[in-house]
Amino acid sequence: SAVISQKPSRDICQRGTSLTIQCQVDSQVTMMFWYRQQPGQSLTLIATANQGSEATYESGFVIDKFPISRPNLTFSTLTVSNMSPEDSSIYLCSVTTSGAKHSGELFFGEGSRLTVL
Amino acid sequence: GQSLEQPSEVTAVEGAIVQINCTYQTSGFYGLSWYQQHDGGAPTFLSYNALDGLEETGRFSSFLSRSDSYGYLLLQELQMKDSASYFCALRSYNTDKLIFGTGTRLQVFP
Repeated sequence: SAVISQKPSRDICQRGTSLTIQCQVDSQVTMMFWYRQQPGQSLTLIATANQGSEATYESGFVIDKFPISRPNLTFSTLTVSNMSPEDSSIYLCSVTTSGAKHSGELFFGEGSRLTVL
Repeated sequence: GQSLEQPSEVTAVEGAIVQINCTYQTSGFYGLSWYQQHDGGAPTFLSYNALDGLEETGRFSSFLSRSDSYGYLLLQELQMKDSASYFCALRSYNTDKLIFGTGTRLQVFP
């Protein structure tokens, strides 16, 4: 298993500002992902965080809006840039580990709940 | 692309059995997973089917039929604490990423 710490757990932000979310894992992991979950909705994959290189973004998400870093195997950041009220969501860091029992198992952080005014 | 559809909401009473269905459209994939998420919490892994058939884990069972592009999660002896959202998810061969279904909110009543 993996223990994931995400911070901030929640924040209220002003329109036009940017916020960086940090994700720290207690063990080396194979893959790290960032998901967004809008209120009452499912989880949507934003990007795969690649160690030492640019993240791989899903359709509808771009690096200028959601820059991601992953300097090592256990840490990643997601920045939500130039925020608007539509960015109000829960942002979730997730990982797979080499010891994961199944290929379908992801471990999630507790999420960062952002409210943009 | 890929899509996974689930009923938006299911209600049941304590002690009952409930089935949450998941129909999907995708090319080859490794298997179908199920996750539980309580309000305000993180999704937690419940079950995984790599092969067709039934997998049982305590009160929860999950089923997959690749030929029917269909799976379900079966919850038995429902308890109030089972009230949560449930998501199916699959990881395709060509993307290696986990894509989640639309989600089902289960409400268990006394």
